[in-house]
Amino acid sequence: DVKVTQSSRYLVKRTGEKVFLECVQDMDHENMFWYRQDPGLGLRLIYFSYDVKMKEKGDIPEGYSVSREKKERFSLILESASTNQTSMYLCATVPGGKETQYFGPGTRLLVL
Amino acid sequence: GENVEQHPSTLSVQEGDSAVIKCTYSDSASNYFPWYKQELGKRPQLIIDIRSNVGEKKDQRIAVTLNKTAKHFSLHITETQPEDSAVYFCAASNNYGGATNKLIFGTGTLLAVQP
Repeated sequence: DVKVTQSSRYLVKRTGEKVFLECVQDMDHENMFWYRQDPGLGLRLIYFSYDVKMKEKGDIPEGYSVSREKKERFSLILESASTNQTSMYLCATVPGGKETQYFGPGTRLLVL
Repeated sequence: GENVEQHPSTLSVQEGDSAVIKCTYSDSASNYFPWYKQELGKRPQLIIDIRSNVGEKKDQRIAVTLNKTAKHFSLHITETQPEDSAVYFCAASNNYGGATNKLIFGTGTLLAVQP
């Protein structure tokens, strides 16, 4: 049974704060993804990683960075949070060579 | 790059009726088309997928059809039940040689099944 966890379900931060969102998986999956979900816009890819210390930009990387120091952990970083980054953030993992994405429970971030 | 459009954005049906959600994609190289279901407050989960070498796939009450020429694919749910109420997302990607490629998601359809 695939287990993907995210560090917080709900988070409230102030404008300008540095924010860390963590995603951890226990299935040794090579591929990890960060999305944000907004009403009417669906799921938009922020960053993804195919391996440790490897990262690639998705469709909306501006204002975000990522870190993957260990295979099981993929962190999303908001260097200086802004109100337009208020959103639901979803992490997903995929085994190497496969296609099904396994999602975490999501973190609902509110930036005041 | 790939672009996926999804319609309708909301769909309300009576229990027992059928529901159809349609998606179009722009990249003719796309060859993998999954559908994800997200119940209220839950995470998205894969419910069915289709590859470009087949035109239709069925799993109990759900089916997906693919028209490569027109570059569109559809999700069909028959005999809808209240537990089918959720947001449904289509997606597209190209996946050659076993390498995992990113999915491009549609904007989602909120399906409400009225009892």
